[in-house]
Amino acid sequence: SQELEQSPQSLIVQEGKNLTINCTSSKTLYGLYWYKQKYGEGLIFLMMLQKGGEEKSHEKITAKLDEKKQQSSLHITASQPSHAGIYLCGANTGGATNKLIFGTGTLLAVQP
Amino acid sequence: DAGITQSPRHKVTETGTPVTLRCHQTENHRYMYWYRQDPGHGLRLIHYSYGVKDTDKGEVSDGYSVSRSKTEDFLLTLESATSSQTSVYFCAISLDRVEISEQFFGPGTRLTVL
Repeated sequence: SQELEQSPQSLIVQEGKNLTINCTSSKTLYGLYWYKQKYGEGLIFLMMLQKGGEEKSHEKITAKLDEKKQQSSLHITASQPSHAGIYLCGANTGGATNKLIFGTGTLLAVQP
Repeated sequence: DAGITQSPRHKVTETGTPVTLRCHQTENHRYMYWYRQDPGHGLRLIHYSYGVKDTDKGEVSDGYSVSRSKTEDFLLTLESATSSQTSVYFCAISLDRVEISEQFFGPGTRLTVL
């Protein structure tokens, strides 16, 4: 079965610093999703990547899917306290039911 | 906003009691999912539905059952709650494009089984 591994598990950065979170799959990725979760709340959809080499940006967050489609990275530029939370990657498992599996998440803290 | 609500938002119950969690959506999406989120495990799929009365098991379905008698409601039932079912439960929907479609999540239900 497919597995997603995220690294690092947790991250503390100073406000204004850049950071990268990685998501590595044991199998080829056909759809890769990034979500953000604040403590005690639901998941907020950030971006979806499908094609190898694809890159998408939203405000100061950029996500990439590598050419071989087995790894994705999420990069935050000039981090702010509002970026703090848990970042999760999810991936399609195939088939017509759009089931997703998820990584265990990366906890990001941004110190003012 | 995908119009997803969950009820109750918090519940404390005792071992052996039945519990039903409700997920309600307002946009008539076909696909609905129930996940549980636990430290160290991330999100794991319990059951999912691909239409009224059409449901199937996910990776952690033991001890759970679901029902979907209307498009807008997806119910998750713990027939006899156990302490191992203490968790945060999330409902999600996906848009009606098959195979590749983002999912949108409800606010979650925090369940504590004593």
